[in-house]
Amino acid sequence: GEDVEQSLFLSVREGDSSVINCTYTDSSSTYLYWYKQEPGAGLQLLTYIFSNMDMKQDQRLTVLLNKKDKHLSLRIADTQTGDSAIYFCAESMGGSTLGRLYFGRGTQLTVWP
Amino acid sequence: DGGITQSPKYLFRKEGQNVTLSCEQNLNHDAMYWYRQDPGQGLRLIYYSQIVNDFQKGDIAEGYSVSREKKESFPLTVTSAQKNPTAFYLCASSIDRGEKLFFGSGTQLSVL
Repeated sequence: GEDVEQSLFLSVREGDSSVINCTYTDSSSTYLYWYKQEPGAGLQLLTYIFSNMDMKQDQRLTVLLNKKDKHLSLRIADTQTGDSAIYFCAESMGGSTLGRLYFGRGTQLTVWP
Repeated sequence: DGGITQSPKYLFRKEGQNVTLSCEQNLNHDAMYWYRQDPGQGLRLIYYSQIVNDFQKGDIAEGYSVSREKKESFPLTVTSAQKNPTAFYLCASSIDRGEKLFFGSGTQLSVL
């Protein structure tokens, strides 16, 4: 559960869709999360998905989970300049590691006007 | 407003000095966490506490200490034994263990 991988950078034009990808290694994950961090600030919980779900939609955000490939994605529709930030994928697990989240290194999303 | 308050926003440490970072929450959350963030890196867990008067080491506890005397408060001390303390420190809390962490706004610690 300690290897959560994300691409480091993504650039999109305003109005386009953004897709941020994440892979994880531990099949016993219970929840998977997406957090947003703006410069000099803490992390804001954007959305999360339980491991027995395939998809979750919340306004402009769509989360897709492929458990077989251990792949998680976050799609942002109609991306705005205010969406520019670092996006972190994180997984939490049950069992002996209950109480811990493992984070990826974050994807820096840049939105061009 | 309910939330997590970290102070100070910026902190400077001199050689050989211990410094303490404050974290207070009024969300009535049982679990609290301290993470360290280095540029271009993910978050690494320093310590966490699931209940008052109990805490566990995370992945990088060496050179740090914590206490949990009150449910609302989880201060982190960066001791002189931590040789590379410059980082952004984030405190978080959750209503249950590991679920939906809510973060404070962070403290940037730098070495003079």
